[in-house]
Amino acid sequence: GESVGLHLPTLSVQEGDNSIINCAYSNSASDYFIWYKQESGKGPQFIIDIRSNMDKRQGQRVTVLLNKTVKHLSLQIAATQPGDSAVYFCAENLGYSTLTFGKGTMLLVSP
Amino acid sequence: DVKVTQSSRYLVKRTGEKVFLECVQDMDHENMFWYRQDPGLGLRLIYFSYDVKMKEKGDIPEGYSVSREKKERFSLILESASTNQTSMYLCASSFTGEMGTDTIYFGEGSWLTVV
Repeated sequence: GESVGLHLPTLSVQEGDNSIINCAYSNSASDYFIWYKQESGKGPQFIIDIRSNMDKRQGQRVTVLLNKTVKHLSLQIAATQPGDSAVYFCAENLGYSTLTFGKGTMLLVSP
Repeated sequence: DVKVTQSSRYLVKRTGEKVFLECVQDMDHENMFWYRQDPGLGLRLIYFSYDVKMKEKGDIPEGYSVSREKKERFSLILESASTNQTSMYLCASSFTGEMGTDTIYFGEGSWLTVV
């Protein structure tokens, strides 16, 4: 079946570097995508979203890029900080208010 | 800020016990969800609800039931807890955002251990 997946299970970066977390999706009917951040022992926290009629959206220090041609989603975090260390999930929405989640990528930021 | 509150963060229950996990949201959201999260399996949808007294099965409803008597409250019930239901349970709620799509917000999670 179609699913959301991530290329890298763990990403290690130095503080101050830019981080890029990738996600592949296979369902071409997905029209909405969300990135979540989950810190240890906590629930997922909404970071940023993007609709399929857009290819880029920016937030505070974060940018989501959507490439529908290759069904690829990425989350860019500028000037990564130790507080950014967490698991990051992408999720796709086919409508009907339910999400399909990727397994997650662990981001480790070293001082 | 959206607030989704799960009443119990950590529970330990015995096999066969009936377990209630309570969730309340304060933003008048129509939609509410229950997920479980397990290492290597990610987030899996158990049940969701679009309105009061309405429920829909998710991907893994077996062994669970839900109750939505009030719009702000969505309860997950384990009729007879089993050890394979040891997990982290996440409640969530959603509204239709500025892009006409639903953004889902999560609670902090409830860690259930069944012994």
